[in-house]
Amino acid sequence: GAVVSQHPSWVICKSGTSVKIECRSLDFQATTMFWYRQFPKQSLMLMATSNEGSKATYEQGVEKDKFLINHASLTLSTLTVTSAHPEDSSFYICSARETQPHQETQYFGPGTRLLVL
Amino acid sequence: GESVGLHLPTLSVQEGDNSIINCAYSNSASDYFIWYKQESGKGPQFIIDIRSNMDKRQGQRVTVLLNKTVKHLSLQIAATQPGDSAVYFCAENLIYGQNFVFGPGTRLSVLP
Repeated sequence: GAVVSQHPSWVICKSGTSVKIECRSLDFQATTMFWYRQFPKQSLMLMATSNEGSKATYEQGVEKDKFLINHASLTLSTLTVTSAHPEDSSFYICSARETQPHQETQYFGPGTRLLVL
Repeated sequence: GESVGLHLPTLSVQEGDNSIINCAYSNSASDYFIWYKQESGKGPQFIIDIRSNMDKRQGQRVTVLLNKTVKHLSLQIAATQPGDSAVYFCAENLIYGQNFVFGPGTRLSVLP
């Protein structure tokens, strides 16, 4: 099946620094990738939809200047948490959908756990 | 809107028994559904999907049932094993090409 990777899997940073998380589709091309965050014992909350070659679409309440998304190729999307603060500590998960027609299935990465001190 | 945080309901079953996990979805126009399994500290893993023109689909040890009349989805796991312990999410596709909306999740605990 389709494989999506994320890097890093774990990151600890100081408050005020920026953190970049990469999401890669390893064996398929993904025109669209999605970024989610998940707090303990809660469901996934969509943050933004990342479209290759265009600006990301952010969900209501998600600051686009805080969470910078770049989808420079059909296999890579990055999420940068700028000036991270302790409240940004969370589990960030990306997903990717194949470019093929009628392929709606999303495949998820393993997630990145961010801890801001 | 997106699923918001809730305390996860928990289903406990004995090893070897069958499990049934239920999900109520929100939009009668949704036409594609997926069940995901998420183990602790990992990303969601695709289990099985179903389109709205079907009411049942079977996989290996899993069956998904769709009742469009009451907007209900269920996941049946046969002969539940310890490795099935995880949180299970249903997801509905409201608009083709757009993101899925996730349910709140159900934690499945398999008792020895």
